Amino acid sequence: EDQVTQSPEALRLQEGESSSLNCSYTVSGLRGLFWYRQDPGKGPEFLFTLYSAGEEKEKERLKATLTKKESFLHITAPKPEDSATYLCAVHRGAQKLVFGQGTRLTINP
Amino acid sequence: DTEVTQTPKHLVMGMTNKKSLKCEQHMGHRAMYWYKQKAKKPPELMFVYSYEKLSINESVPSRFSPECPNSSLLNLHLHALQPEDSALYLCASRLDMGGEQFFGPGTRLTVL
Repeated sequence: EDQVTQSPEALRLQEGESSSLNCSYTVSGLRGLFWYRQDPGKGPEFLFTLYSAGEEKEKERLKATLTKKESFLHITAPKPEDSATYLCAVHRGAQKLVFGQGTRLTINP
Repeated sequence: DTEVTQTPKHLVMGMTNKKSLKCEQHMGHRAMYWYKQKAKKPPELMFVYSYEKLSINESVPSRFSPECPNSSLLNLHLHALQPEDSALYLCASRLDMGGEQFFGPGTRLTVL
């Protein structure tokens, strides 16, 4: 069964303290792994799509990487505005997304 | 432009009311989605429309009725809802069968 597990569930960092979020997945035939950022009460904001092991994508302080079993979202020198819930998802079949439970990230000034 | 719009932003309704949620995108996307999201949970798929035809219904109760009038519009008609249906309702769209989904800002629904 397709499954996505994110860790940690919650993470508190000081401003400037770099860290990584983990997304482990089991899926038959990966058709894309997606990272989203979600602020409270708002819709998820698309960040990255990764398709194959070894692929990396970067945007500002965020960098997403992919292996055959997991993906990491690296956050370098985070700022308070990076505080949000980060969601990871994979395709199930052609049309559905399977989401992880998310990591709630808090960056303290 | 990767924008999906949703109206209204907030909706409060009684259990006997009939209301509708609206979603619009002008990106030429041919797949559109409705999700329900409870607090501290990931989005939960409700319906998928592909090329204006309903392709997936995740066993959603009939008090939720989706409609896709054209390739840019998606509605969700609500009738006789229960308090447990209170949630953030999200619309999303995708170009075709592959690639990322883009989400709207959501409608916060409260059922009294």
